[in-house]
Amino acid sequence: QSVLTQPPSASGTPGQRVAISCSGSSSNIGTNAVNWYQQLPGAAPKLLISTNKQRPSGVPDRFSGSESGTSASLAISGLQSEDEAVYYCAAWDDRLDAYVFGTGTKVTVL
Amino acid sequence: QVLLVQSGSELKKPGASVKVSCKASGYIFAGYTINWVRQAPGQGLEWMGWINTDTGIPTYARAFTGRFVFSLDTSVSTSYLQIDSLRAEDTAVYYCARVRTGWYSDYWGQGTLVTVSS
Repeated sequence: QSVLTQPPSASGTPGQRVAISCSGSSSNIGTNAVNWYQQLPGAAPKLLISTNKQRPSGVPDRFSGSESGTSASLAISGLQSEDEAVYYCAAWDDRLDAYVFGTGTKVTVL
Repeated sequence: QVLLVQSGSELKKPGASVKVSCKASGYIFAGYTINWVRQAPGQGLEWMGWINTDTGIPTYARAFTGRFVFSLDTSVSTSYLQIDSLRAEDTAVYYCARVRTGWYSDYWGQGTLVTVSS
């Protein structure tokens, strides 16, 4: 089991806003930066957000990250069909001395 | 541009070994650590550990000690993952990824499917 918990699924219609939560603890999100990855069907993961809220070059500003205490959140505004993917949060865990991924959230565009 | 290109799919019998390669290009290989990540069929991402491309020293996650070996050939900017004594439960896609400060991976290989079946 992962130490970072995400809802298994989320959905929305085109144009809507979707938010995905990532719940951790003081040894991971509470202390270290959170990163988010997008995995399209059949593809390798892609970095979406680094260091809590930084978007790499080429990532649309529809994607935004935030963090508070031991939780983090990824928001997708103006949902598009190409956003259908599985989204993972991740962070270094000081207690486990390991990089941990969240359980993953499958986003469906209705 | 930065690229990580992995070797092709492998079909192995239980008990055999496999060696997956990850060739880097477009940047100074020794400047960035390489992560290895496993994804079992229909499952999430699992961090296996990392290798320091400057010193060659590997670090393994607890679940990946013993049968898993990370190595380098810096002359060809390539990192390797070897898995010994393969088991059916090792069937997965294995990814390499470049690591940045803050522990995020900004570039990923395309993944290598390793299938273990008799």
